[in-house]
Amino acid sequence: DAGVTQSPTHLIKTRGQQVTLRCSPKSGHDTVSWYQQALGQGPQFIFQYYEEEERQRGNFPDRFSGHQFPNYSSELNVNALLLGDSALYLCASSFRQISSYNSPLHFGNGTRLTVT
Amino acid sequence: AQKITQTQPGMFVQEKEAVTLDCTYDTSDPSYGLFWYKQPSSGEMIFLIYQGSYDQQNATEGRYSLNFQKARKSANLVISASQLGDSAMYFCAMREGNYGGSQGNLIFGKGTKLSVKP
Repeated sequence: DAGVTQSPTHLIKTRGQQVTLRCSPKSGHDTVSWYQQALGQGPQFIFQYYEEEERQRGNFPDRFSGHQFPNYSSELNVNALLLGDSALYLCASSFRQISSYNSPLHFGNGTRLTVT
Repeated sequence: AQKITQTQPGMFVQEKEAVTLDCTYDTSDPSYGLFWYKQPSSGEMIFLIYQGSYDQQNATEGRYSLNFQKARKSANLVISASQLGDSAMYFCAMREGNYGGSQGNLIFGKGTKLSVKP
């Protein structure tokens, strides 16, 4: 049973460029969330996708956008990269339930983005 | 105000001993969940244990247990019989209630780096 898979593993970009990160959720999961983890910090919520729509969004600018496909996989796009966007980007998946506050997120290994 | 506070940036423990990692939280929502994750140097966040706000008993999962003190708003992780493989970052996280049917996001603390000494 494949867990959450992310690609690529590492990425180096230049300031001002655009980047796309990809995520395939754990089998049976239908909800994908993206988190940014700066060095030495805990992960910070970017946004969540369910049924191909953005359902929640954290405090991130519009340069951060996403998409969810019919097979539940997801992409995170970041435009006009800044040096401060350098971080580990984590994708997490879960199965949407009515009592949603008690279901854990399953995370991938992350994509380490370096902006120079 | 911080919703999740982990006051120990780093901790050392001798192999085979028990260790407690502290976590306090702040919420006015009566329904919430508390989670602990382990993050090895590889980067993956590994789910360890969960405690719900209405759970009467402290959660346990193998060598992990959660010391849940609701009135004090603390949810400390206890690792018994530490192993060298337990060396990692540990994050406490909270999810509040139910956002109109959609899953609330996890709010993480800054983490505690645990080092297990042989």
